[in-house]
Amino acid sequence: DTGVSQDPRHKITKRGQNVTFRCDPISEHNRLYWYRQTLGQGPEFLTYFQNEAQLEKSRLLSDRFSAERPKGSFSTLEIQRTEQGDSAMYLCASSAQGTKLFFGSGTQLSVL
Amino acid sequence: AQTVTQSQPEMSVQEAETVTLSCTYDTSESNYYLFWYKQPPSRQMILVIRQEAYKQQNATENRFSVNFQKAAKSFSLKISDSQLGDTAMYFCAFMKYNNNDMRFGAGTRLTVKP
Repeated sequence: DTGVSQDPRHKITKRGQNVTFRCDPISEHNRLYWYRQTLGQGPEFLTYFQNEAQLEKSRLLSDRFSAERPKGSFSTLEIQRTEQGDSAMYLCASSAQGTKLFFGSGTQLSVL
Repeated sequence: AQTVTQSQPEMSVQEAETVTLSCTYDTSESNYYLFWYKQPPSRQMILVIRQEAYKQQNATENRFSVNFQKAAKSFSLKISDSQLGDTAMYFCAFMKYNNNDMRFGAGTRLTVKP
């Protein structure tokens, strides 16, 4: 069990650029989640996959955000035309059946 | 909508002593789960303890225990024999039964002092 892996750990970008983050879940986990965490707040749910199907999306996930999990393994989260308000830590989590989520260490995004 | 409130932004405790972190939530659901997560400076969220709402017995995990008051919608975390490694942000979280949207509180920063 190598845990949930996220790449990159830090990303600095200029406003208007596109960015993509990757999450590799624990290998036998079929459920994958993306959360966003801003300074001083708890994580906020963005989206959920079961295998390759994206089953739930938060209203926070505007049309500039897209997430994929093409083969039911790793997932990517892309933000197009980044804005300063997108600066946050993006957390990925995975789980098998049940409610125990295993989180990665996150990708810290800074939009200048 | 479900909301989770942690009214203590920061707390501190002396090593080896006991501390209680508070959490209240608001829901109209009868079946749900409650969690406490720890987030150390490494940023990785770690599950500390989980409680199913249908269970009356309070969950315990070694030095960690909860006081679950369903009618009062209260879910506090007690840490006994505090250790320096317990220093972290602690988040209370709520998840409806058969749902995947876990709602977190704003967190309590706990510092364990030597």
